[in-house]
Amino acid sequence: EVQLVESGGGLVQPGGSLRLSCAASGFTFSSNWMHWVRQVPGKELVWVSRISSDGSNTIYADSVKGRFTISRDNAKNTLYLQMNSLRAEDTAVYYCARVLDGYKERPYCDYWGQGALVTVSS
Amino acid sequence: QSALTQPASVSGSPGQSITISCTGTSNDVGGYNYVSWYQQHPGRAPKLIIYDVTKRPSGISNRFSGSKSGNTASLTISGLQAEDEADYYCSSYTRTTTPVFGGGTKLTVL
Repeated sequence: EVQLVESGGGLVQPGGSLRLSCAASGFTFSSNWMHWVRQVPGKELVWVSRISSDGSNTIYADSVKGRFTISRDNAKNTLYLQMNSLRAEDTAVYYCARVLDGYKERPYCDYWGQGALVTVSS
Repeated sequence: QSALTQPASVSGSPGQSITISCTGTSNDVGGYNYVSWYQQHPGRAPKLIIYDVTKRPSGISNRFSGSKSGNTASLTISGLQAEDEADYYCSSYTRTTTPVFGGGTKLTVL
């Protein structure tokens, strides 16, 4: 069974840092591109970042470019999102999501984690 | 990248059909046949229900169907059931190779 489990969320002050992890199981993690998507509770989904299966290709939303870094450790079956210089507007539930088998840049996410809440507040 | 435009809400009675629109531009919906739709129940993660405009992932009911014309994609749900009540989001690949989501549509089953 495919599972994605996020961890690392919490309360952080503006300007602070946080690293989210997404532990994958039940599939060959190194074969799938992965995304981070965030959602303010009650609001719309917002795409954050994407990484290729080998980690060589990454891309970011303009709103987080230069502050967030996506990475992965295929030996540990884990996806990461390093978030620096956090702002109040980064407050959201962050989901990691797996791209559908056989697809790369097409953003079809067939499995999602349960979400990790990040709250940026003083 | 601006969000795709969806109606805020739609409603229908059990057994009826409803359609949710998703309007973008030639830089996203109109330029690529790479549109997907997600269903999200309250407090749950999104679920992929349509990809490549018209395809359904394994296990998704054939009551869900997708289409596209020009810059507008559509999701049709036929034979509405109470369990279909949820938020629905469209998404499209864009010219910048990044995805963009719609603002979401709340479906109410009367």
